Amino acid sequence: QQQVKQSPQSLIVQKGGISIINCAYENTAFDYFPWYQQFPGKGPALLIAIRPDVSEKKEGRFTISFNKSAKQFSLHIMDSQPGDSATYFCAASRAGRGGNQFYFGTGTSLTVIP
Amino acid sequence: DTAVSQTPKYLVTQMGNDKSIKCEQNLGHDTMYWYKQDSKKFLKIMFSYNNKELIINETVPNRFSPKSPDKAHLNLHINSLELGDSAVYFCASSRPPARELFFGEGSRLTVL
Repeated sequence: QQQVKQSPQSLIVQKGGISIINCAYENTAFDYFPWYQQFPGKGPALLIAIRPDVSEKKEGRFTISFNKSAKQFSLHIMDSQPGDSATYFCAASRAGRGGNQFYFGTGTSLTVIP
Repeated sequence: DTAVSQTPKYLVTQMGNDKSIKCEQNLGHDTMYWYKQDSKKFLKIMFSYNNKELIINETVPNRFSPKSPDKAHLNLHINSLELGDSAVYFCASSRPPARELFFGEGSRLTVL
């Protein structure tokens, strides 16, 4: 079953606008929540990540908001730019036997219109 | 210098053939993974190896067989290819306890 649910599937935003992508999880064993950015023809790359002991993390124009009680987290992209157009994946991770386990959301295709 | 490199980048083959994808990482990581990304971009874990030991083996047909000759390499061999195997396969690595996953650029497999 899908361990991490992500919405929306696609998003179109005007340049300068705010892009918001939402994710939800069920397993309380997850203790690390990264967001990955993927450009066409490339592998996903880590964008920003948060641990559940904080409610918000900001890096430049990118902010993760985390709600532990609701088991939800979201990515906010402020002042969205055409160069932000990519597919974004949320993920949830936990330490497992012999290494870390990562479970990805279904992805959000973001298009920022100039 | 590429951190996680996969070869080949593109692979076109006929149904029923056997093919391999190779992955190498030069990051000194202990754990390596194979993910499958389908046409809807969904990233699904297939296998994970830690120090050459198989850790995760998700529900994947046994036509898929990973092999890790050493910590820096994790290859994927696929027997009797089917149309549904067409996808982009990503290799990734991490170094516990750090949680960042480093992905390769992917290998696009097309089965005709």
